[in-house]
Amino acid sequence: EADIYQTPRYLVIGTGKKITLECSQTMGHDKMYWYQQDPGMELHLIHYSYGVNSTEKGDLSSESTVSRIRTEHFPLTLESARPSHTSQYLCASSGPGQGSTQYFGPGTRLTVL
Amino acid sequence: AQSVTQLDSQVPVFEEAPVELRCNYSSSVSVYLFWYVQYPNQGLQLLLKYLSGSTLVESINGFEAEFNKSQTSFHLRKPSVHISDTAEYFCAVSEAGFQKLVFGTGTRLLVSP
Repeated sequence: EADIYQTPRYLVIGTGKKITLECSQTMGHDKMYWYQQDPGMELHLIHYSYGVNSTEKGDLSSESTVSRIRTEHFPLTLESARPSHTSQYLCASSGPGQGSTQYFGPGTRLTVL
Repeated sequence: AQSVTQLDSQVPVFEEAPVELRCNYSSSVSVYLFWYVQYPNQGLQLLLKYLSGSTLVESINGFEAEFNKSQTSFHLRKPSVHISDTAEYFCAVSEAGFQKLVFGTGTRLLVSP
């Protein structure tokens, strides 16, 4: 079983608040990812990192930002939450090599009122 | 750019019946193909993947998928399903040599007694 953790699991927050979704992995993986998943829709990559101090935007434009100061930690921040940010956010990590498996956390379900 | 099409949003079957979940992809380059499963309130778990070699790949819980390059398909099959197989199944593709995954919209497998 993969050791990748996300907190909180559920978050209900008002418009305009700043939030940080936490993601940590204990596998020493260099590559980490954030996906956004809406009900009945595919996962969309919003951010990824191939190592410390390396972050890139994904295929889906997002107002969120990420940081990668430590290998094991890849937090996602929304400076000012809006109802359009309501979604499930999934964090993943993968090891070296081509086609390596991405291991997913349990997700954070965010609701912005 | 790659894309993945999962033609069936929901597949209802009876326990012990066979099932096939369809996945087609489009890409102009060599690809790696994956099937992930998502149980309720959990993250995604890798079910099986094709990187190279034998076009038929199997999982430990009885699922198999066959890579068909001419038809650009990677359908998932199981000869006899269990109630516990009820979940959302996602097909994903990545360009060979790259880590970013592109997911399909998912197929909800509903197994009833």
